[in-house]
Amino acid sequence: DQQVKQNSPSLSVQEGRISILNCDYTNSMFDYFLWYKKYPAEGPTFLISISSIKDKNEDGRFTVFLNKSAKHLSLHIVPSQPGDSAVYFCAAGVGYEGSNYKLTFGKGTLLTVNP
Amino acid sequence: ETGVTQSPTHLIKTRGQQVTLRCSSQSGHNTVSWYQQALGQGPQFIFQYYREEENGRGNFPPRFSGLQFPNYSSELNVNALELDDSALYLCASSLAAGTNYGYTFGSGTRLTVV
Repeated sequence: DQQVKQNSPSLSVQEGRISILNCDYTNSMFDYFLWYKKYPAEGPTFLISISSIKDKNEDGRFTVFLNKSAKHLSLHIVPSQPGDSAVYFCAAGVGYEGSNYKLTFGKGTLLTVNP
Repeated sequence: ETGVTQSPTHLIKTRGQQVTLRCSSQSGHNTVSWYQQALGQGPQFIFQYYREEENGRGNFPPRFSGLQFPNYSSELNVNALELDDSALYLCASSLAAGTNYGYTFGSGTRLTVV
């Protein structure tokens, strides 16, 4: 049973445009969500997070939106840059601000930003 | 400030053998978590160690075991290797026990079981 789903294995966008990566979850106990970025031959690096008490969190070019009723979150990257090309993982946890030890990850979406 | 270091980077083992993977946590981090990432999948939580004790475990059989040392470095041991154990094994360190907040991941060890 996959509790965190990223239904798009890949996404291709033009440089300067918006990239929107989507994630759905089934476990209503999840209350803390994160996005990680992974380049080949490197470990995942933390990008941005959001807790269930918010519906939006921004950090520079990156914005995460949370729709709790739909159990859906999305990551918006504006403007997209070629260096953003990577695999993006959505992850979820139980416990505010990551107070629980375990993260559940989606399968990832490969983002390609074309110059 | 050093990041998380994992060794070896690549490893090939035969089915039935045993393997030990090593992880040095980021400076100042006292908690280490291990994840398995199979091809085409997201990372799956194996277990976490804090103060040399297992602090939580995912859905992995007992042949997956670990250790944490006083310097907070950690080992992942897998006995009786199976072909399905072929995966990227990721170590992540963090500052506070029982959390995933502020995880720093290593680059992983690619294990191939033949």
